Amino acid sequence: DIVMTQSPLSLPVTPGEPASISCRSSQSLLHNNGHNYLNWYLQKPGQSPQLLIYMGSHRASGVPDRFSGGGSGTDFTLTISRVEAEDVGVYYCMHTLENLPTFGQGTKVEIK
Amino acid sequence: EVELVESGGGLVQPGGSLRLSCSASGFTFSRHWMSWVRQAPGKGLEWVANIKQDGSDNYSVDFVKGRFTISRDNAKNSLHLQMNSLRAEDTAVYYCVRGPDYGAWADYFDYWGQGTLVTVSS
Repeated sequence: DIVMTQSPLSLPVTPGEPASISCRSSQSLLHNNGHNYLNWYLQKPGQSPQLLIYMGSHRASGVPDRFSGGGSGTDFTLTISRVEAEDVGVYYCMHTLENLPTFGQGTKVEIK
Repeated sequence: EVELVESGGGLVQPGGSLRLSCSASGFTFSRHWMSWVRQAPGKGLEWVANIKQDGSDNYSVDFVKGRFTISRDNAKNSLHLQMNSLRAEDTAVYYCVRGPDYGAWADYFDYWGQGTLVTVSS
């Protein structure tokens, strides 16, 4: 099984400042088709998870452009260019390279 | 509008059974892989199982094999999870999740239901 490791696990942020979350996989998520099978989700308090970024760097429909995803292979980053109060919650990375998807442990983002 | 509505959760004793259902609407259900993902209280997300568009193939995580069975009824736009031999560690909110369409280049879960809580306790 592919193990997903996120850091940090807790991230206090200041509104208006940038923030980033790292996700590492135990094996490369770069398929031979050239795509990275890595997705990012945000679970706001009391809600179901929502898709933010798919296939490494593609923003999902309706997601603000302050969210961006980058990286390739085994190292990925979710970046929020300017954090807003509504961005609090737990962020998860998840791979779909094989038919046994696994999630990272989650990174809790809260306002300082 | 895509909607996924889970039902069937509740309190069950260890060793008991439950059948979860997910009613889908707002999209062509038969074109999508579907999954169940769970979340234990205060914990992270854990993928449980998925099933192919026509139900001909499915996969599940090792710790539910032989206990949980995923199925679907495309005529009724519904997804199911039969859970047998339940254990305390199966206590979680179970989410119904939509996967990729036929021929999609990308692979991700784009819509999630609101979840149904399963509590295994005596």
